[in-house]
Amino acid sequence: TQLLEQSPQFLSIQEGENLTVYCNSSSVFSSLQWYRQEPGEGPVLLVTVVTGGEVKKLKRLTFQFGDARKDSSLHITAAQPGDTGLYLCAGAKGTYKYIFGTGTRLKVLA
Amino acid sequence: ETGVTQSPTHLIKTRGQQVTLRCSSQSGHNTVSWYQQALGQGPQFIFQYYREEENGRGNFPPRFSGLQFPNYSSELNVNALELDDSALYLCASLQGGGREQFFGPGTRLTVL
Repeated sequence: TQLLEQSPQFLSIQEGENLTVYCNSSSVFSSLQWYRQEPGEGPVLLVTVVTGGEVKKLKRLTFQFGDARKDSSLHITAAQPGDTGLYLCAGAKGTYKYIFGTGTRLKVLA
Repeated sequence: ETGVTQSPTHLIKTRGQQVTLRCSSQSGHNTVSWYQQALGQGPQFIFQYYREEENGRGNFPPRFSGLQFPNYSSELNVNALELDDSALYLCASLQGGGREQFFGPGTRLTVL
């Protein structure tokens, strides 16, 4: 059973456009992480959010953790071709178990 | 600082065979988690090892087993391979109690 649903599943946009990816669950998580994965590689951690309502910025990427710690969003401003990849959210259940979302495959066209 | 490494990179097996995948954790990390990532899906948690003991397990049958060694490297063993076991197997290391896990490049297993 997949506890974390991501939307959209696929996104193809032009360079310079903005986009938002959503990660939703009915479960509460102690923390939530966002990763980017490229073909043939493991996921690379982008950010960890811990506190409900927390907002973190990483250059053109803005991450938000929902107030109830059940959902999160990733907003990319002025997308570039280098942002292309599979974006995954992962919620922490307790101290050891991470539940991954279904993934959003982003393609940014030059 | 050495990152997480996995071997082999690719592996082809036939149904019913057994396979062992290996992972070397990042320097200073004493915890290793294993994940299965089927094509087009997010990783699924298999189990985690902390200081050579299994520390938690996902919804995988007993034919998925593991080991962690004193140097914190780890193995994933899968017996009686099934076609659905074809996937990318990822290991991630982290420092016990920490939140940040660092992934290796994965082993692509194909079961024919």
